Amino acid sequence: ETGVTQTPRHLVMGMTNKKSLKCEQHLGHNAMYWYKQSAKKPLELMFVYSLEERVENNSVPSRFSPECPNSSHLFLHLHTLQPEDSALYLCASSQEALAGEHEQFFGPGTRLTVL
Amino acid sequence: QQPVQSPQAVILREGEDAVINCSSSKALYSVHWYRQKHGEAPVFLMILLKGGEQKGHEKISASFNEKKQQSSLYLTASQLSYSGTYFCGTAKAAGNKLTFGGGTRVLVKP
Repeated sequence: ETGVTQTPRHLVMGMTNKKSLKCEQHLGHNAMYWYKQSAKKPLELMFVYSLEERVENNSVPSRFSPECPNSSHLFLHLHTLQPEDSALYLCASSQEALAGEHEQFFGPGTRLTVL
Repeated sequence: QQPVQSPQAVILREGEDAVINCSSSKALYSVHWYRQKHGEAPVFLMILLKGGEQKGHEKISASFNEKKQQSSLYLTASQLSYSGTYFCGTAKAAGNKLTFGGGTRVLVKP
């Protein structure tokens, strides 16, 4: 595997379910990100991790819970979601966190539908 | 505050040129450009770090006007492969997060 991978690619869940999204980066980067991409809206930054430590939490509801066990893996745990949470969830990584001069590498995303 | 991109959409014939603008109400440290094809991940194109800097990626180039707090992306002699949604991301300082614009949809027709 190369680059940034995400699983699953598609997920349909009910509002009472608990599920997790997984991201893995094979680039040796120190920073990982979760973004939410909704139709006709800009990419919204949700969380940023630098060397497994959360450095940014963008006022995200507590029904989204991130976990970064090591610098290569990032999870997003989901519980009691709302239909408006349906979106494409993108994971990204970069050499350093929140560094305006470092490009971000994105995964293919997980298309989430909440019924 | 997110940057504003214009136009929201553009349709081109193969070989035509187009310009996409990204404007901010705040002073910028850097501007990033990404392209996302339908159903795929955004792909990095280039970063501009200094006012007045210009860069190129194949026949796609960009400029950064620090005074105007604006960056422009130039699609020259467009190819079918240029179709997709182009996003700019801006950072106000070296240690700041990227804030993305709403995107510009580009469709290049034969």
